[in-house]
Amino acid sequence: KQEVTQIPAALSVPEGENLVLNCSFTDSAIYNLQWFRQDPGKGLTSLLLIQSSQREQTSGRLNASLDKSSGRSTLYIAASQPGDSATYLCADLAWAGGTSYGKLTFGQGTILTVHP
Amino acid sequence: GAGVSQSPRYKVAKRGQDVALRCDPISGHVSLFWYQQALGQGPEFLTYFQNEAQLDKSGLPSDRFFAERPEGSVSTLKIQRTQQEDSAVYLCASSLLGVSQPQHFGDGTRLSIL
Repeated sequence: KQEVTQIPAALSVPEGENLVLNCSFTDSAIYNLQWFRQDPGKGLTSLLLIQSSQREQTSGRLNASLDKSSGRSTLYIAASQPGDSATYLCADLAWAGGTSYGKLTFGQGTILTVHP
Repeated sequence: GAGVSQSPRYKVAKRGQDVALRCDPISGHVSLFWYQQALGQGPEFLTYFQNEAQLDKSGLPSDRFFAERPEGSVSTLKIQRTQQEDSAVYLCASSLLGVSQPQHFGDGTRLSIL
């Protein structure tokens, strides 16, 4: 059974700091790896998606890397802002029904607080 | 609507009652997923529909959980004889067909069993 682990469970940083969130997964036979953001009482917003053949993706101040061989992904947030405060979830997508759908397996999340 | 809509947003029920949670996917999305998110945890897969067919229900925790999507659009997750451990946020996601298609999530229903 695929397991996804995120470290740290919580992180509090001052505004402006660069930070790294870690994600590890046990089964390297994944289709892709995604990072999501979840605000309190809300659903999930996809931030970055890395295909299994890729090593990294960038969007603005966010950069995500993927190392399938070691079963690890990192999310790098540059120049953090109070608006970045949220729970960050990583999830890998594994084939479940041929080409029709895949199953997401989530980590437990990292609660990020960026204080002014 | 533009996104996945779930109702109710909050549901409080007494232990032993039956509850029904509704999901309105994005129009035209063939695939529909239900997830359960316990407090402080990541979401866990419950079940998957392709149009009206329930192709995967491997994540349903017990036979008290039942999901349907009779016309291939709106889906309902029903929990019978609720227990306290059923308290969680239930998330619905929809997507176009295909493993590469991104899943779009609703805001969830927060279920509290007293």
